[in-house]
Amino acid sequence: NAGVMQNPRHLVRRRGQEARLRCSPMKGHSHVYWYRQLPEEGLKFMVYLQKENIIDESGMPKERFSAEFPKEGPSILRIQQVVRGDSAAYFCASSPGVGGEGYTFGSGTRLTVV
Amino acid sequence: DQQVKQNSPSLSVQEGRISILNCDYTNSMFDYFLWYKKYPAEGPTFLISISSIKDKNEDGRFTVFLNKSAKHLSLHIVPSQPGDSAVYFCAASYGGSQGNLIFGKGTKLSVKP
Repeated sequence: NAGVMQNPRHLVRRRGQEARLRCSPMKGHSHVYWYRQLPEEGLKFMVYLQKENIIDESGMPKERFSAEFPKEGPSILRIQQVVRGDSAAYFCASSPGVGGEGYTFGSGTRLTVV
Repeated sequence: DQQVKQNSPSLSVQEGRISILNCDYTNSMFDYFLWYKKYPAEGPTFLISISSIKDKNEDGRFTVFLNKSAKHLSLHIVPSQPGDSAVYFCAASYGGSQGNLIFGKGTKLSVKP
């Protein structure tokens, strides 16, 4: 009965490298949301995906960030050419349908850019 | 342009007493509100929610009150227990947001034995 699995838990990247964050939703959940939490801030919505579709990416920075949720495998949040300001905790949530009450969050990936 | 505000970054309460966490919002389109609890190094965990058609929802020791005219909601925990010590986030959504949640910055609750 695994929950939402995120890996890695901690990721250190040098400026200019790429970061790949993975999220495996709960069994039976087809909706995936990515949130970012900067230090001393609340969680900020980034992107909402269903299998093979990006439904809403209004919270994604225009450049360097991309997300996918393929037919098979986990959802991936990719950050290219990371900068220090990308250092944050990235949380993935999954739900069986639309709506926050059904959300289950993963434990997050803490990205540190050095 | 914070749409969901939690103005108290921290709150300290004695075990057995009531904890009251507050949240204000600015967007009158919000129609669903949630509280999440977060321990360090873990993801947020859903606690309780309330629809805008209600003014109160209760679940065990947790009660959420909604005052739409004041655009204010509060979470009451009674009696408070040391295990309640965590960061509490208020979140809101509206019908057109497709489940995307707008979070406040959180309030760190410390319950002292």
